[in-house]
Amino acid sequence: DGGITQSPKYLFRKEGQNVTLSCEQNLNHDAMYWYRQDPGQGLRLIYYSQIVNDFQKGDIAEGYSVSREKKESFPLTVTSAQKNPTAFYLCASSIGGQGAWETQYFGPGTRLLVL
Amino acid sequence: DAKTTQPNSMESNEEEPVHLPCNHSTISGTDYIHWYRQLPSQGPEYVIHGLTSNVNNRMASLAIAEDRKSSTLILHRATLRDAAVYYCILRDWGSQGNLIFGKGTKLSVKP
Repeated sequence: DGGITQSPKYLFRKEGQNVTLSCEQNLNHDAMYWYRQDPGQGLRLIYYSQIVNDFQKGDIAEGYSVSREKKESFPLTVTSAQKNPTAFYLCASSIGGQGAWETQYFGPGTRLLVL
Repeated sequence: DAKTTQPNSMESNEEEPVHLPCNHSTISGTDYIHWYRQLPSQGPEYVIHGLTSNVNNRMASLAIAEDRKSSTLILHRATLRDAAVYYCILRDWGSQGNLIFGKGTKLSVKP
């Protein structure tokens, strides 16, 4: 079955540590996204990529980094510069990214907690 | 992308229809209306989308007002599994591609 996978489901970060969240899709989609969700809130965009080897900052990119070396993979690193990383992180993909009609497909999410 | 307004919460009884409203008075002619829902501790999932005409799929129906300034998501027979937060989102062409989520409507379904 095609879809998006995220791992791990839960991740614990120590102070000063960088952690990487995995996102893989086998939908052959060009566009991929990372969102952050805080309790009781909607999703906010961290980074997005519309093609391999290219990505752009979203609304809350500070303290995060990404790479897009392969079409199917878009890992997110939460760096030590992100002072409030505790949140639910969601990865999504869509066919191309620019079409107003496009549907986004979301992964199951990774919940990051700070020790 | 234009802004949407939804009620914070709604309640429904199981097996009854549910009408979830969304106001988008500043919608442009090229904005598509999308609905997603998010079950507890899961990623959002697509429900339905439309431009001008009413739309039906296996999950729901979307009724769009003639002036397009409001729309209604219709769940024909609510089940306990439909308890979720429902997001109404407008998408225009050529944007950076992300969805702009508000707080949505939290739907509770009573047995």
